[in-house]
Amino acid sequence: GDSVTQMEGPVTLSEEAFLTINCTYTATGYPSLFWYVQYPGEGLQLLLKATKADDKGSNKGFEATYRKETTSFHLEKGSVQVSDSAVYFCALSDRLTSYDKVIFGPGTSLSVIP
Amino acid sequence: DADVTQTPRNRITKTGKRIMLECSQTKGHDRMYWYRQDPGLGLRLIYYSFDVKDINKGEISDGYSVSRQAQAKFSLSLESAIPNQTALYFCATSDRLILDNEQFFGPGTRLTVL
Repeated sequence: GDSVTQMEGPVTLSEEAFLTINCTYTATGYPSLFWYVQYPGEGLQLLLKATKADDKGSNKGFEATYRKETTSFHLEKGSVQVSDSAVYFCALSDRLTSYDKVIFGPGTSLSVIP
Repeated sequence: DADVTQTPRNRITKTGKRIMLECSQTKGHDRMYWYRQDPGLGLRLIYYSFDVKDINKGEISDGYSVSRQAQAKFSLSLESAIPNQTALYFCATSDRLILDNEQFFGPGTRLTVL
């Protein structure tokens, strides 16, 4: 079945460092791909998304490109801030096989220190 | 005001007790979901509902039941709580007209079963 794999955390970075969180997926159909972010004490919220191959999603300085050839959707940010400390979830929605359910990765915890 | 609300936000209960978690939304979405979050496991789907008369089991429905009282309300019940149901529970909604199934989350309910 469909699945999402993320790099394990926790990840600790200094402010202004470059961030990459790896995400790979397995899907039978043509999934939409998402990154959700969970700030401390809050629910998940959509950070960015991409609905087809080669699309790039971007928001708040974060970017991710839908790579069908490598089945990847890695999250990147050029210069992280303390306020980016959160848990990041990669997810997919495959209307062909999952009938509108969303499959989440295990999450990657990011801590940014001043 | 929050679009997706959950009550209570925190609950401590004892083994064997019946517990109900409630979710309300003002987004006008037809689809509602209940997830459970455990460290290192990401989010796992418990139940989902695509309209008032439609209830579907997710991957971990054993020990849980749900009720869709109205389009805006979706409650989750633990008939006889056990300690391994200690977790963070999230309600989410989505709009069938948004084809990629983007999810909108509530703030979560932290449940502890002693």
